[in-house]
Amino acid sequence: SQQGEEDPQALSIQEGENATMNCSYKTSINNLQWYRQNSGRGLVHLILIRSNEREKHSGRLRVTLDTSKKSSSLLITASRAADTASYFCATGPNDYKLSFGAGTTVTVRA
Amino acid sequence: DAGVIQSPRHEVTEMGQEVTLRCKPISGHNSLFWYRQTMMRGLELLIYFNNNVPIDDSGMPEDRFSAKMPNASFSTLKIQPSEPRDSAVYFCASSLAIGSYGELFFGEGSRLTVL
Repeated sequence: SQQGEEDPQALSIQEGENATMNCSYKTSINNLQWYRQNSGRGLVHLILIRSNEREKHSGRLRVTLDTSKKSSSLLITASRAADTASYFCATGPNDYKLSFGAGTTVTVRA
Repeated sequence: DAGVIQSPRHEVTEMGQEVTLRCKPISGHNSLFWYRQTMMRGLELLIYFNNNVPIDDSGMPEDRFSAKMPNASFSTLKIQPSEPRDSAVYFCASSLAIGSYGELFFGEGSRLTVL
């Protein structure tokens, strides 16, 4: 079964707007990772947040983690057409058995 | 850095044929993963190698699937005989080390279609 579940399944926004997606998971984790997948390509790692961290930033990305609610959010600020992709959270009970959610498909309209 | 290299990128075969997918991980990475991605099931971990040794193959669907890693720079995933339900994109990923919260580096995938 999938450990992480993203919400919403799909998101359509105007260029320049912010995009927020959420991830809920079921069991305790060491860390939570977010990946991006462009159509027809492999997954690319975006950011990792450890279980003892609450917020992390990387460029236009902001990730939060609430272990009490078993949830995380990914915020993309000032979106661009190039941000059009599927975004996945990945978690697991240990460092190797990562489980990926179904993903959030983000479409950025010009 | 060349990244994780997978071949072939696309494979179309007929049911019953043997399929071999290949992966070259990033040099220096000691963990290698095979994932399968379908619309219905999403991304599934098939098998994980650490230092060329299979550690967890609980995700391998059935005996028709086998994976090997004869050395640190090469791995294969074989399906024999193939079935239409094996149609999916198969990804290989490598990581520098487990236990260091390492990120996974994915290849571009091998899209398999079994007719």
